[in-house]
Amino acid sequence: KAGVTQTPRYLIKTRGQQVTLSCSPISGHRSVSWYQQTPGQGLQFLFEYFSETQRNKGNFPGRFSGRQFSNSRSEMNVSTLELGDSALYLCASSSQTSPQETQYFGPGTRLLVL
Amino acid sequence: AQSVTQLGSHVSVSEGALVLLRCNYSSSVPPYLFWYVQYPNQGLQLLLKYTSAATLVKGINGFEAEFKKSETSFHLTKPSAHMSDAAEYFCAVTPNSGYSTLTFGKGTMLLVSP
Repeated sequence: KAGVTQTPRYLIKTRGQQVTLSCSPISGHRSVSWYQQTPGQGLQFLFEYFSETQRNKGNFPGRFSGRQFSNSRSEMNVSTLELGDSALYLCASSSQTSPQETQYFGPGTRLLVL
Repeated sequence: AQSVTQLGSHVSVSEGALVLLRCNYSSSVPPYLFWYVQYPNQGLQLLLKYTSAATLVKGINGFEAEFKKSETSFHLTKPSAHMSDAAEYFCAVTPNSGYSTLTFGKGTMLLVSP
């Protein structure tokens, strides 16, 4: 099976712009989670989707949003970009939402905000 | 709220030496525990996980971890380090019920010298 794929891999934006990141989960996986990784804050949970519904959300401002499509592919959007949004954004998929299920991570999208 | 503490942001070992990476969790109820590894410019790869079956868990690449409830610990070990083990290692927890949200430690960078 193909792994989790994320596009694009690298992105450069300027402050005030918006950005959309895409994640394709492993075939058959219906749960997709997003995480932000920065040197200062480490890995932080953004949100989780299951069957097109947001099941859980982390402590991030409303500028961060996401959605999931019927084929389980997910997108996250960040509006009005700030310098602090520069980070590696990781997507993870799992077969269900049980906490013991392994989450499989994609390679990430590295976003640089100038 | 759950939390994870990884003692030591950097650990240096010689090739062939024992690897010990420490992880302590804070939770009123024993959670599910995971160790992930991240190589440069890549996503996270699961090494092993504890889901309340055996307390000694064996993972990939010769790593293992022991769940100790009395010490609220889940330390990662490998008897003999290899140069290819140099990477960043993350301990993570999910609650044992509800959502599958990973809470990560700050990570430990493992440096292996010849």
